[in-house]
Amino acid sequence: SQELEQSPQSLIVQEGKNLTINCTSSKTLYGLYWYKQKYGEGLIFLMMLQKGGEEKSHEKITAKLDEKKQQSSLHITASQPSHAGIYLCGADPLNSGYALNFGKGTSLLVTP
Amino acid sequence: DVKVTQSSRYLVKRTGEKVFLECVQDMDHENMFWYRQDPGLGLRLIYFSYDVKMKEKGDIPEGYSVSREKKERFSLILESASTNQTSMYLCASSLLNLQGINSPLHFGNGTRLTVT
Repeated sequence: SQELEQSPQSLIVQEGKNLTINCTSSKTLYGLYWYKQKYGEGLIFLMMLQKGGEEKSHEKITAKLDEKKQQSSLHITASQPSHAGIYLCGADPLNSGYALNFGKGTSLLVTP
Repeated sequence: DVKVTQSSRYLVKRTGEKVFLECVQDMDHENMFWYRQDPGLGLRLIYFSYDVKMKEKGDIPEGYSVSREKKERFSLILESASTNQTSMYLCASSLLNLQGINSPLHFGNGTRLTVT
């Protein structure tokens, strides 16, 4: 079965600093999804990447997909307290469009 | 915006009780999913459904069953709750995948279930 490993597990950054979260798959990536979860709540969809080399941005968050490396990165520029939460990557293991496997998440805290 | 609504945010039940967790989505999505989320283990798929009255086992179906009588509603049933089923339960829905065009999952806010 496909496993998704996220690094780092947790991150504390000062407001205004940049940061990167990585997600590495043990198998071929047919699509990679990034979600954000506020503590104790559901997951909010951020971005979906489907093609190798694809890069998407939303506000100060950029995600890239490196298909050859079976890896995706999520980069936050000039972090703000509102970016705090748990970031999870998810992947479709069979290109079926059905259930996703998820990484265990990266917990981000942004300090003033 | 897609809305996925889970009936309870917090639930406390006793061991042996039959527990129903309800999930409703308002966007006519074909697929619906139930996950549980535990510290250190991440999200694990319990069951999913791609059509009314259809269901498929996920990675950890033991001790659970599901019901999908209507397209918009997907219920998770704990036949006889046990303490190891204390967890955060998340429901999600998505469009059916057509021709390789993936659709992201949309999640509800979760139900934190405690079994005592």
